[in-house]
Amino acid sequence: GAVVSQHPSRVICKSGTSVKIECRSLDFQATTMFWYRQFPKQSLMLMATSNEGSKATYEQGVEKDKFLINHASLTLSTLTVTSAHPEDSSFYICSARDQKGSHTMNTEAFFGQGTRLTVV
Amino acid sequence: AQKITQTQPGMFVQEKEAVTLDCTYDTSDQSYGLFWYKQPSSGEMIFLIYQGSYDEQNATEGRYSLNFQKARKSANLVISASQLGDSAMYFCAMRDLASGGSYIPTFGRGTSLIVHP
Repeated sequence: GAVVSQHPSRVICKSGTSVKIECRSLDFQATTMFWYRQFPKQSLMLMATSNEGSKATYEQGVEKDKFLINHASLTLSTLTVTSAHPEDSSFYICSARDQKGSHTMNTEAFFGQGTRLTVV
Repeated sequence: AQKITQTQPGMFVQEKEAVTLDCTYDTSDQSYGLFWYKQPSSGEMIFLIYQGSYDEQNATEGRYSLNFQKARKSANLVISASQLGDSAMYFCAMRDLASGGSYIPTFGRGTSLIVHP
């Protein structure tokens, strides 16, 4: 199956610093990537939809200035958590869909391995 | 209203037995897709099975089958012959047509499955 690589898998940073998380589709082109946040023992919360070459679409309640998303190519989207605070500590996971199936319902989205962010 | 409801926060099953994980959904769309994902403790999300709203037959993938009851808006996952490696969180998800014309997935709260030897 298709592979999505997310890096880093774990990161610990100091409060006030910024952290960049990368999401790469390795063997397909992804027009659209999704960024999720997951709290312990809870569901995935969609943060934003990342579209190649255009601005990301953020879900209600997600601060776009804090969670910067860049989708510069068909294989790479990045999420930057700016001025991180301890409450930003969470599991962040991306998913990507093959652009051939972007407008179909049944194309599965492939997930990255996730990034566990700890802000101290 | 929640789009995806998983009412079982935790389930236990004996190894080699079958288990059903419940999922109900809410949508006004006629065309939608239902997915199940497995999330082991490592955190990765593993796609298990897909059911389209127009599919007449229940989806099956190896030991996984989806009991799709459209009138009841339920899409339960059945795992046959449980294995110890099946212990994980299981998420039901639905993709329907969101504003803007793209399909955005919505996830349920998940069910934690523990398989006992």
